[in-house]
Amino acid sequence: EVQLLESGGNLVQPGGSLRLSCAASGFTFSSYAMSWVRQAPGKGLDWVSTISGTGIGTYYADSVKGRFTISSDNSKSTLYLQMNSLRAEDTAVYFCAKGPTVGKAYFDYWGQGTLVTVSS
Amino acid sequence: EIVLTQSPGTLSLSPGERVTLSCRASQSVSSSYLAWYQQKPGQAPRLLMYGASSRATGIPDRFSGSGSGTDFTLTISRLEPEDFAVYYCQQYGSSQFTFGQGTKLEIK
Repeated sequence: EVQLLESGGNLVQPGGSLRLSCAASGFTFSSYAMSWVRQAPGKGLDWVSTISGTGIGTYYADSVKGRFTISSDNSKSTLYLQMNSLRAEDTAVYFCAKGPTVGKAYFDYWGQGTLVTVSS
Repeated sequence: EIVLTQSPGTLSLSPGERVTLSCRASQSVSSSYLAWYQQKPGQAPRLLMYGASSRATGIPDRFSGSGSGTDFTLTISRLEPEDFAVYYCQQYGSSQFTFGQGTKLEIK
């Protein structure tokens, strides 16, 4: 059974930093790209970033490029999101999602999310 | 960036009814890269459809998807009480993913 468990969400001041983690199990982590998708309170879904299974390829939404860094540790089956220079508009629940894969541009499993609040 | 516009924003329906949700793209999207998700309050999204018309694992056959180019639809043939939720379409293109703003199905 695929399981994704996010952690690291917290209240942080504008301009601050935070690192999110996502522990994966139930599949061969290194064989799949992984992604972060966020959802501001009462709003829709917003793709943030994707990393390839090898960790070589990384992709970012324009809204976070240069501020967020996605990474993974295949030995720990864990995905990370380092968030710097946080803004109020980054306030959201951050979901870890499995996928996409080659030719399959969707997210087939999601974690329950971790809440990041950026406020003074 | 490809913008996805879903309509209507909210639908009030009764169990047993048939419903079709619309997702329109600002430019052509490959059918292979169009997906639909269902999200209930306080829960993570769940993949329903991928490749525009393929059901994800465990999704009942009352859900179907179709479309091509810029117009895609998700149809629920007969609404069950557990189907009342928010539905999102999603596309991939130019190394970017975008979601529609969602359609909320509420019980009438």
